[in-house]
Amino acid sequence: QKEVEQDPGPLSVPEGAIVSLNCTYSNSAFQYFMWYRQYSRKGPELLMYTYSSGNKEDGRFTAQVDKSSKYISLFIRDSQPSDSATYLCAMRQVAGGTSYGKLTFGQGTILTVHP
Amino acid sequence: DGGITQSPKYLFRKEGQNVTLSCEQNLNHDAMYWYRQDPGQGLRLIYYSQIVNDFQKGDIAEGYSVSREKKESFPLTVTSAQKNPTAFYLCASTGDRGPSGYTFGSGTRLTVV
Repeated sequence: QKEVEQDPGPLSVPEGAIVSLNCTYSNSAFQYFMWYRQYSRKGPELLMYTYSSGNKEDGRFTAQVDKSSKYISLFIRDSQPSDSATYLCAMRQVAGGTSYGKLTFGQGTILTVHP
Repeated sequence: DGGITQSPKYLFRKEGQNVTLSCEQNLNHDAMYWYRQDPGQGLRLIYYSQIVNDFQKGDIAEGYSVSREKKESFPLTVTSAQKNPTAFYLCASTGDRGPSGYTFGSGTRLTVV
């Protein structure tokens, strides 16, 4: 079993739709949770990060973490064609001492928002 | 501007050749990472380094080698022992022990011909 499982999609939605992207994880040591957006043939860019259960909002994006269920989500409101990309969830254990910790990624979800 | 530079953007390798991918950062970050990305598999960790002259194997290190002689540089060599090297390779760095994650380069697409 992989430590992080991401709903693979792909997803295709009309402009203006609400998008929900989801990941589950099995390692209780994960404490930091991130969402990255990756455009074709580019490096991933960090969208949001959080380290506590609950919701975190940034503009049209909301990150949700439920540690008791080991489940995280990213919601995109009023989706735009420019949101078309691959979305990757990533998780990290608490870094201690000299360890910066490594990220464990989900498989990625390809999102297409059509006009 | 600070960032991570990967070169070349596209690389072609013949069977049996070793090739080296470059990764340079001017962010003064201590930790650097190499990931491989294949369709439908997300990013998988090849090697990482938390300090100069030290590095550790990741989940798929076989057929790869690295060096970390300078803080700014973390080159990856794909050896002939790597059986399926065609992939998108991403370099990343972080200077943060907290939750904010990595800064990624723009990647190198390696194709075996």
